[in-house]
Amino acid sequence: KQEVTQIPAALSVPEGENLVLNCSFTDSAIYNLQWFRQDPGKGLTSLLLIQSSQREQTSGRLNASLDKSSGRSTLYIAASQPGDSATYLCAAANFGNEKLTFGTGTRLTIIP
Amino acid sequence: NAGVTQTPKFRILKIGQSMTLQCTQDMNHNYMYWYRQDPGMGLKLIYYSVGAGITDKGEVPNGYNVSRSTTEDFPLRLELAAPSQTSVYFCASSYSTSGQPQHFGDGTRLSIL
Repeated sequence: KQEVTQIPAALSVPEGENLVLNCSFTDSAIYNLQWFRQDPGKGLTSLLLIQSSQREQTSGRLNASLDKSSGRSTLYIAASQPGDSATYLCAAANFGNEKLTFGTGTRLTIIP
Repeated sequence: NAGVTQTPKFRILKIGQSMTLQCTQDMNHNYMYWYRQDPGMGLKLIYYSVGAGITDKGEVPNGYNVSRSTTEDFPLRLELAAPSQTSVYFCASSYSTSGQPQHFGDGTRLSIL
């Protein structure tokens, strides 16, 4: 059974710094890995999706990497802004099923 | 540009009552999902559907039922509400699972007292 872990549960960073969020998964037979953002009281917004054949995806100031052999994905945020404050969740989709397994998220606070 | 719409946004139920959480998407997505999110926990899949007339259980289906009579709608039914069902419920949809991200609604906050 796939298990997804995100550590730390919370992170505070001064504005302008670059930062990395971590995601670990136990079953390397993943089809894709997705990163989401969740604002308080809102649903999840898809940020980046990395296929199993890819090593990274980029969108603006965000860069997500995937290392299946080590069971890790990272989300890099460059030049952080207060508007980046949110909870970030990763989720893994395994081959053979249509289900996502979610981590518990990292709550990010950017300090102005 | 509605996307995934969930109603109601908030609801308080008494133990033993029943209710239906509504979910509608206007993106012509084949796949639809229901999740619950409890404090400090990741999202857990309740039920999912790969197309009209086809549904299947997720990780935590007990106490819930679903139907999928149209591509657009995927209601979630609670028959006998229990305190353990207090949670935030999210509906999501995707075109397929092959590299397409899931789109989420804003959730329904449900309290069972």
